[in-house]
Amino acid sequence: GAVVSQHPSRVICKSGTSVKIECRSLDFQATTMFWYRQFPKQSLMLMATSNEGSKATYEQGVEKDKFLINHASLTLSTLTVTSAHPEDSSFYICSAKDPRQFSYNSPLHFGNGTRLTVT
Amino acid sequence: AQKITQTQPGMFVQEKEAVTLDCTYDTSDPSYGLFWYKQPSSGEMIFLIYQGSYDQQNATEGRYSLNFQKARKSANLVISASQLGDSAMYFCAMREGIDNFNKFYFGSGTKLNVKP
Repeated sequence: GAVVSQHPSRVICKSGTSVKIECRSLDFQATTMFWYRQFPKQSLMLMATSNEGSKATYEQGVEKDKFLINHASLTLSTLTVTSAHPEDSSFYICSAKDPRQFSYNSPLHFGNGTRLTVT
Repeated sequence: AQKITQTQPGMFVQEKEAVTLDCTYDTSDPSYGLFWYKQPSSGEMIFLIYQGSYDQQNATEGRYSLNFQKARKSANLVISASQLGDSAMYFCAMREGIDNFNKFYFGSGTKLNVKP
């Protein structure tokens, strides 16, 4: 089945630094990836849609300059949390759809997520 | 309005018993897909089952089945013969339309605890 790999799984950083999270589709080419944020005991909140070779589409209320998304290849999307602050501490998880699967019923395939702690 | 509503923040079930997790949805698009995911404490999202809006029969996958009531706009997940490993968060999700890049909307989740 389709595999999405996300690294790192955990990261602790100091306030003011930037953190990069990688999301890779291992056995398929993903022209589109989705980045979600999840607060403890809450649902997944879509942050942005990452499109290969073009600018990401951000959801309302998500700061583009704070959360930089780059989708430079068909298998890699990165999320950079710039000048991180404690309120950015959260669980970030990426996902992609396998274009080989019929779109109507194909699920999102998720990475294992990244737990970010900003001290 | 919420696209996906899960009204049960937490549920308990005895091991080997069946449990139903509720999900209602809201859409005016005639074409949509409904998905259930399991999220253990480790955080990964595991796809469980899918139901399409045009599917005539309820979806089943092993111990998982989906009670799809289109007129009521509900898509409840039924887990039969619960196991301790079923303890996790469960999310209902919907994708409107059939475009390959349409967004998924997630409910707030239900935390299931299976008691030995």
